[in-house]
Amino acid sequence: EDKVVQSPLSLVVHEGDTVTLNCSYEVTNFRSLLWYKQEKKAPTFLFMLTSSGIEKKSGRLSSILDKKELFSILNITATQTGDSAVYLCAVNFDMRFGAGTRLTVKP
Amino acid sequence: ETGVTQTPRHLVMGMTNKKSLKCEQHLGHNAMYWYKQSAKKPLELMFVYNFKEQTENNSVPSRFSPECPNSSHLFLHLHTLQPEDSALYLCASSQVLGEVRVSDTQYFGPGTRLTVL
Repeated sequence: EDKVVQSPLSLVVHEGDTVTLNCSYEVTNFRSLLWYKQEKKAPTFLFMLTSSGIEKKSGRLSSILDKKELFSILNITATQTGDSAVYLCAVNFDMRFGAGTRLTVKP
Repeated sequence: ETGVTQTPRHLVMGMTNKKSLKCEQHLGHNAMYWYKQSAKKPLELMFVYNFKEQTENNSVPSRFSPECPNSSHLFLHLHTLQPEDSALYLCASSQVLGEVRVSDTQYFGPGTRLTVL
């Protein structure tokens, strides 16, 4: 059975901290993994990863995929209160989502 | 500003009503999706339209009926819903390459917040 597991489910940090969110997966015919940020509205696309070991960066956010160990991490450095959101990981065409990690950044 | 619009943004309906949710994408994509997001649950994929071919999640009740008249418009027809159907319904679109289903970037609409009384 295909599954996508994110950890931790919830995380509380202070501004300026660095956080690492995890997404592990077991799916048939893996093609790509996507990260989304969801606040009080529809998810916002962050990254799509298809190749192992290649880091993608956007400002303070970065992500990398390990296709051998079947996981991805999302790093956020120098966190800000605006980073507070649920971060979703999804795999493959049918967008099989994990439960998400709820990140709260306190001032 | 999103290239995917959804109407209405909020909908309150009784269990005996019939209503429709509308989604329109202005991105020239060839695939559209309906998702349901309930409180404290992951996003659930309900329906996919790719090259006008519908693929659905078999666990979706028949009281939800999708319609995709063209590649830019997607409807979700609702009838005799239950209170547990109250959720945020999200539409998304993407460009699927060739005949192979690859996971391309999906662009989401703002969602319709549905409350079933």
